[in-house]
Amino acid sequence: GAVVSQHPSWVICKSGTSVKIECRSLDFQATTMFWYRQFPKQSLMLMATSNEGSKATYEQGVEKDKFLINHASLTLSTLTVTSAHPEDSSFYICSATGPGWEQYFGPGTRLTVT
Amino acid sequence: GIQVEQSPPDLILQEGANSTLRCNFSDSVNNLQWFHQNPWGQLINLFYIPSGTKQNGRLSATTVATERYSLLYISSSQTTDSGVYFCAVERGGTSGSRLTFGEGTQLTVNP
Repeated sequence: GAVVSQHPSWVICKSGTSVKIECRSLDFQATTMFWYRQFPKQSLMLMATSNEGSKATYEQGVEKDKFLINHASLTLSTLTVTSAHPEDSSFYICSATGPGWEQYFGPGTRLTVT
Repeated sequence: GIQVEQSPPDLILQEGANSTLRCNFSDSVNNLQWFHQNPWGQLINLFYIPSGTKQNGRLSATTVATERYSLLYISSSQTTDSGVYFCAVERGGTSGSRLTFGEGTQLTVNP
């Protein structure tokens, strides 16, 4: 099946610094990728839709200047958390629509801001 | 937007038991997927099932699109089946449309 990878799998950073998370579709091209956030014991919440070659579409309430998304190629989307604060600590998951309409998810990135 | 409700929220089983998880959705959908989130957070695709019935080993799923619900059946449960099961639906008409997730069912299978 289609495989999506994320890097890093976990990261610890200091408050005020920026962190970049990469999402790659390994064996298929993805014109659209999605970024989700998940807090402990909660469901996934969509943050933004990343479109190759164009600006991302952010969900209501998501700060686009804090969560920068770049989709530079058909296999790579990046999420940069700028000026991170402890409340940004969460589990970030990306997904991509594979062949057909099925979505495939990366393994997630656990971000801890100290 | 579309609402997705899953039941039960929590389920505890003894190994070997069968179970049924339900997903109700509030509007017509083009896509419905079931996922299992393992203890490390990885979402594993179980079924892509906007309508009809599918089976994969001990798991099967049925979606009745006209009545806006889907069921996930787990037979002869094993401890490795533990985790959170999510139903997610998509309303858009293109492959790049967003998924809306339910709140999940936390399944615990005891030995």
